[in-house]
Amino acid sequence: DVKVTQSSRYLVKRTGEKVFLECVQDMDHENMFWYRQDPGLGLRLIYFSYDVKMKEKGDIPEGYSVSREKKERFSLILESASTNQTSMYLCATVQGYEQYFGPGTRLTVT
Amino acid sequence: KQEVTQIPAALSVPEGENLVLNCSFTDSAIYNLQWFRQDPGKGLTSLLLIQSSQREQTSGRLNASLDKSSGRSTLYIAASQPGDSATYLCAVRGSGGGADGLTFGKGTHLIIQP
Repeated sequence: DVKVTQSSRYLVKRTGEKVFLECVQDMDHENMFWYRQDPGLGLRLIYFSYDVKMKEKGDIPEGYSVSREKKERFSLILESASTNQTSMYLCATVQGYEQYFGPGTRLTVT
Repeated sequence: KQEVTQIPAALSVPEGENLVLNCSFTDSAIYNLQWFRQDPGKGLTSLLLIQSSQREQTSGRLNASLDKSSGRSTLYIAASQPGDSATYLCAVRGSGGGADGLTFGKGTHLIIQP
């Protein structure tokens, strides 16, 4: 079974803090993705990576950066968290043709 | 830019009914289409994936069809059960294949009444 894990299920941070969301997959997959999910807006792609140290912007990259130093780990970074980044963050990887998701991190920025 | 629409946004039916969830997309140049299930506060579980060259896929009581030329997919759920209550999401992958992210619809919130 594909296993995608995210470092935290719930996270509360203050405005202006630097926030790291970690995602780890155990299947040696090349492609990894970060999405955010908001009521009424659905899931939207923030960034993705198709190899170590490679990254591509998704639909809503503003306010975010990513890091992929090792194949199994893909980090999403909020350089200076803002209240409009309060959301559910979902990491995903691809096996064959299918995309598999982690359990999500619900981030609240106060 | 690809847009994915799901109809209805919400659906409530008695247990045992067969039902159809609809998904449409604006750009027919897709690599594949995937249906997911999401329970409240949880991540997404992949249900069915249809490659662009395929017309349908089946898994147990679920059947998904794809008409790429008209930009439509349906998810058919037979003999619905209360455990089927969840949000169902449709997503398409662009023609770039595995390196592309998915474009999602906003989901259909399904409630099966016991």
